Amino acid sequence: EIVLTQSPDFQSVTPKEKVTITCRASQSIGSSLHWYQQKPDQSPKLLIKYASQSISGVPSRFSGSGSGTDFTLTINSLEAEDAAAYYCHQSSSLPLTFGGGTKVEIK
Amino acid sequence: EVQVVESGGGLVQPGGSLRLSCAASGFTFSTYAMSWIRQAPGKGLEWVSGISGSGGRTYYADSVKGRFTISRDNSRNTLYLQMNSLRVEDTAVYYCAKAGSGSYYGDYWGQGTLVTVSS
Repeated sequence: EIVLTQSPDFQSVTPKEKVTITCRASQSIGSSLHWYQQKPDQSPKLLIKYASQSISGVPSRFSGSGSGTDFTLTINSLEAEDAAAYYCHQSSSLPLTFGGGTKVEIK
Repeated sequence: EVQVVESGGGLVQPGGSLRLSCAASGFTFSTYAMSWIRQAPGKGLEWVSGISGSGGRTYYADSVKGRFTISRDNSRNTLYLQMNSLRVEDTAVYYCAKAGSGSYYGDYWGQGTLVTVSS
């Protein structure tokens, strides 16, 4: 099973600041890495697919990069509505696995 | 508009059974794989099971293999998860998700249904 390690676990950020979340895979997964946002009491929402592909309707301040084992989700100019948990997820091999999550709090 | 709506959750005793359903609309159901993902209270996400568009291929997490069965009825646009021999640690919100093209990651998720296993 592929293990995804996210960091940090928690981040407290002021509005307009840039946020960077990393996800490291225990073995190479190519670009089969996806990012989700989950707000309190809501289901997860797909933000980025295949490491860097944007999703229709997702604000352009969200971007992804990386390949192989190291990936990054970047939120440029954080807004109050971005307070949420963020998860990485690999679909390279079964069983699919998720990272442990990063909670982003707005100061 | 793509929609997936879960139902069937509830309270069940350890060792009991429950069947979850997921009604899909807004896309050609038989063309896409589907997945179940769960989230224990206050915890992260865990992929549980996936099924191909035709239903011919099924996959499970080790934690549920042999106890849960995923299936689908493409004539009814409905996905199922039969859960047997339930354990306290199966307590979670269960999400149904339409998979992205050619894969099993979820691109559209339902609102989830809560399963509580407790005596």
